[in-house]
Amino acid sequence: GAVVSQHPSWVICKSGTSVKIECRSLDFQATTMFWYRQFPKQSLMLMATSNEGSKATYEQGVEKDKFLINHASLTLSTLTVTSAHPEDSSFYICSASPYYGYTFGSGTRLTVV
Amino acid sequence: DAKTTQPTSMDCAEGRAANLPCNHSTISGNEYVYWYRQIHSQGPQYIIHGLKNNETNEMASLIITEDRKSSTLILPHATLRDTAVYYCIVILSGNTPLVFGKGTRLSVIA
Repeated sequence: GAVVSQHPSWVICKSGTSVKIECRSLDFQATTMFWYRQFPKQSLMLMATSNEGSKATYEQGVEKDKFLINHASLTLSTLTVTSAHPEDSSFYICSASPYYGYTFGSGTRLTVV
Repeated sequence: DAKTTQPTSMDCAEGRAANLPCNHSTISGNEYVYWYRQIHSQGPQYIIHGLKNNETNEMASLIITEDRKSSTLILPHATLRDTAVYYCIVILSGNTPLVFGKGTRLSVIA
């Protein structure tokens, strides 16, 4: 079946540094990928739609300069959290849509200290 | 996309069938009903989807009412590993993202 690989699974970083999260479609091409954020005991919140070869589309309230998205190939999208702060600590999840349905990565737990 | 309404939580005895309801009264004719589940600290897992007809796969069955305003996900023999948050989502097929509601927290009890 269609697989989306997400790395790293978890990361701890110091406040003020940047962190890059990778999302790869392993056995299909994804012109579009989606990035979500999930805080404890809450549902997934869509952050942005990543489009191969063009700019990402951000949801209202998501700072595009803070959450940099790059979708340089048909199998890779990256999310970079710049100048991370403790309030950015969250569970970040990517998703892509193969032939039908939607496949999700395993998520990245980001902790900013 | 049509909104969905699900109970906040449900309990089910291990080995029994778990029936999870979902209301989607504003669904349009070409919108699909998708079910996903999320086990703690993991990415959502696809379960099943349907348009009009009832569907069954190795994980579950999906029963959609004739007017399509509600559906029920059935896990025929729930196990402890089925404890998760279950999301019912209505969406047009294509490259639009899934929008998650609060889902139903299913607890399977031994």
